[in-house]
Amino acid sequence: DIVMTQSPDSLAVSLGERATFNCKSSQSVLYTSSYRNCLAWYQQKPGQPPKLLISWASTRESGVPDRFSGSGSGTDFTLTITHLQAEDVAVYYCQQYYSDPCTFGQGTKLEI
Amino acid sequence: QVQLVESGGGVVQPGTSLRLSCAASGFTFRTYAMHWVRQAPGKGLEWVAFMSSDGHNKYYADSVKGRFTISRDNSNNTLYLQLNGLRAEDTAVYYCAKREFNWNYLDYWGQGTLVTVSS
Repeated sequence: DIVMTQSPDSLAVSLGERATFNCKSSQSVLYTSSYRNCLAWYQQKPGQPPKLLISWASTRESGVPDRFSGSGSGTDFTLTITHLQAEDVAVYYCQQYYSDPCTFGQGTKLEI
Repeated sequence: QVQLVESGGGVVQPGTSLRLSCAASGFTFRTYAMHWVRQAPGKGLEWVAFMSSDGHNKYYADSVKGRFTISRDNSNNTLYLQLNGLRAEDTAVYYCAKREFNWNYLDYWGQGTLVTVSS
């Protein structure tokens, strides 16, 4: 199974600032046929289910603010939130869907 | 809009069984593969089981293989998870989640149902 490792485990950032989350896979999740990375990011607010933010490492889902952006390729990925707002407090998970079973990182908790 | 509503959770003793249901609406259920994902209290997300749209393909996490069974009723738009031989470590919120059409990222999640295994 592909192991997903996120860093840091927690992150404290001030309102209006930038938050950066890292995610590393134990092997490449680049789908060479389409040159797309099989990497998704989810946001889970307290008491709520996860919500899909980004797929294919950098494609925002409909309705996700453009303050959220994803980047990276191969084994190293980043989720960036700019102009941090109080509503962004959550745990953020990465997930690879390159191979079965799909696997999640352990999550990074964002605090303001 | 897509809705996934889980039910069937509860407090059970070790070794007993439970069946979880996930009622789906707002999309053509029979054309989408589905997943179960669980989250132990205060912990991260753990993928549990997958079933293809037609029910012919299914697979499980090693931690539940041989004890849990995923199934679906496409005529009633419902996904199930039969949990047998429950252990304390199975205590978690169980989410059903809809797979994107061709790839295993999960574009919609239910609110979850809590299973507590305790003597």
